[in-house]
Amino acid sequence: GAVVSQHPSWVICKSGTSVKIECRSLDFQATTMFWYRQFPKQSLMLMATSNEGSKATYEQGVEKDKFLINHASLTLSTLTVTSAHPEDSSFYICSARGGGMTSYEQYFGPGTRLTVT
Amino acid sequence: AQTVTQSQPEMSVQEAETVTLSCTYDTSESDYYLFWYKQPPSRQMILVIRQEAYKQQNATENRFSVNFQKAAKSFSLKISDSQLGDAAMYFCAYRSGFGNEKLTFGTGTRLTIIP
Repeated sequence: GAVVSQHPSWVICKSGTSVKIECRSLDFQATTMFWYRQFPKQSLMLMATSNEGSKATYEQGVEKDKFLINHASLTLSTLTVTSAHPEDSSFYICSARGGGMTSYEQYFGPGTRLTVT
Repeated sequence: AQTVTQSQPEMSVQEAETVTLSCTYDTSESDYYLFWYKQPPSRQMILVIRQEAYKQQNATENRFSVNFQKAAKSFSLKISDSQLGDAAMYFCAYRSGFGNEKLTFGTGTRLTIIP
């Protein structure tokens, strides 16, 4: 199956700093990527959907100026958490779908654990 | 808006036995997909099984099968011959069939396998 990677797998940053998380499709071209957030022992909540070369579509309640998403190429999307605060600590998961795939296929990355101190 | 409900936060089953995880959903759409995802301790989301709403036949993947009751908006997952590797969080998810690829997840069921 298709492989999606995330980097880093975990990161600790200080409050007020920014941190960037990368999501890469390793063996297919990802025309659409999704970013999810998962709090401990909770479900995945979609934050935004991004299509290559266009601006991301954010879900209601997600601050687009705080969570910057860039999908500049067909294999890479980045999520930047700006001016991070402890409440941003969470598990961030990306998923991707390729242009040649059936519409219901999404392949998930292994996730990134963010801790803000 | 679509909602997905999993009413069993935790379930346990003896190894080699059968267990059924429940999921209900609410939608006004006629075309949609339903999924069961597994999230083991590694946190990697793994697709277990999917069901297209227009198909009357229940999906089956080896030891995993679903009971899709469209009128009741119910989508349960049956795991037969449970194995230790089945221990994980299981999430039910909904996706519209009308272009919006967003997945809406339920709150999950933690499955424990008792040796």
